[in-house]
Amino acid sequence: GAVVSQHPSRVICKSGTSVKIECRSLDFQATTMFWYRQFPKQSLMLMATSNEGSKATYEQGVEKDKFLINHASLTLSTLTVTSAHPEDSSFYICSARSRQTSNHYEQYFGPGTRLTVT
Amino acid sequence: EDQVTQSPEALRLQEGESSSLNCSYTVSGLRGLFWYRQDPGKGPEFLFTLYSAGEEKEKERLKATLTKKESFLHITAPKPEDSATYLCAVQPSGGYQKVTFGIGTKLQVIP
Repeated sequence: GAVVSQHPSRVICKSGTSVKIECRSLDFQATTMFWYRQFPKQSLMLMATSNEGSKATYEQGVEKDKFLINHASLTLSTLTVTSAHPEDSSFYICSARSRQTSNHYEQYFGPGTRLTVT
Repeated sequence: EDQVTQSPEALRLQEGESSSLNCSYTVSGLRGLFWYRQDPGKGPEFLFTLYSAGEEKEKERLKATLTKKESFLHITAPKPEDSATYLCAVQPSGGYQKVTFGIGTKLQVIP
């Protein structure tokens, strides 16, 4: 149980284009979904938190107009990187917190998406 | 500000050589401490949640323990397939607060 999928696993795009990453909880309903970036030899950096049907809450320093997050349902959240630039190249990982275990706070992570902007 | 420090940064063990990974934390009230395993190029895999000092949890060759200042992940008789980066994270109490992750300990188990 508690499986989270992400699509695509890898994407290469040209500078100036937009890329959409999907995150789905496959066998549970997620009260909250999270988006992280991970750089080599650094801890996971939270970008934003989203609850179904409401606007995402972005961490300080994260441009909400550049990283568009939509949490359309209890099982789907999307991250769109708009007008991507090489510095946006990174490993993006989503996670979800289960609605069924709302008294517990563990997050279940997707497999990640490697974005390369050329 | 919440802090999580993991040590060592890297650990190399012979197969069967037991050891422990450390996670020291500073948080204004602990709701939960989490351990994850992360393989290269993949998302973290949930292992354990610990809620209060004195609590222990086990899964196969792994055992996690918790005190008021730190957590240990004990690995007994590790196998090469235990090679991964192990991440520790804390969830503070008192309303919604974001989880703070450590950088991780990269474990390599040599056959």
